[in-house]
Amino acid sequence: NAGVTQTPKFQVLKTGQSMTLQCAQDMNHEYMSWYRQDPGMGLRLIHYSVGAGITDQGEVPNGYNVSRSTTEDFPLRLLSAAPSQTSVYFCASRPRTGSVYNEQFFGPGTRLTVL
Amino acid sequence: AQSVAQPEDQVNVAEGNPLTVKCTYSVSGNPYLFWYVQYPNRGLQFLLKYITGDNLVKGSYGFEAEFNKSQTSFHLKKPSALVSDSALYFCAVSVANNLFFGTGTRLTVIP
Repeated sequence: NAGVTQTPKFQVLKTGQSMTLQCAQDMNHEYMSWYRQDPGMGLRLIHYSVGAGITDQGEVPNGYNVSRSTTEDFPLRLLSAAPSQTSVYFCASRPRTGSVYNEQFFGPGTRLTVL
Repeated sequence: AQSVAQPEDQVNVAEGNPLTVKCTYSVSGNPYLFWYVQYPNRGLQFLLKYITGDNLVKGSYGFEAEFNKSQTSFHLKKPSALVSDSALYFCAVSVANNLFFGTGTRLTVIP
């Protein structure tokens, strides 16, 4: 089991550019999520999905899009990058059954810098 | 509204001494509480959780946490700290489809 994988590990963008952060999991988890981690603020939920074809917004969704066409993959798209989106991005997954009780499994993160 | 507070940004402890990392929470309904640890340049790893039952929860790497409903606290503890425990620790509360995190406490164990 590779668990949760994320690519790329590092990325530098210019303001206004777009890109997609990739996330995949091989644990057959229904629930997947994206968080951003900023200094002094902990992790905040951007978007989540409870299954293929179903997505919803978290606390800080503006400027990001997601889709969930398969159980395994949950890409995060930055539509027009802004310096405020400089952050470390984590993807996570958990089984949906009893989901509120289950711990999440986190990927290694993508460090994004927007100039 | 739900929230988690970790009042200490930094905790320093000597190797071999007991350690405590503090967490308080605010949530309507039953609290489902978690501790995660983050090592440098790594993702978060699950340590332990409280769902119901015994107020003392045991987890990975010798860590334990004490749930106190009256004080709305969920402090992380370890009887004897190791240098390898040095990391960033996050407390979190699970509510529906969201996991609300505290701001993190950096633990440094001094040899």
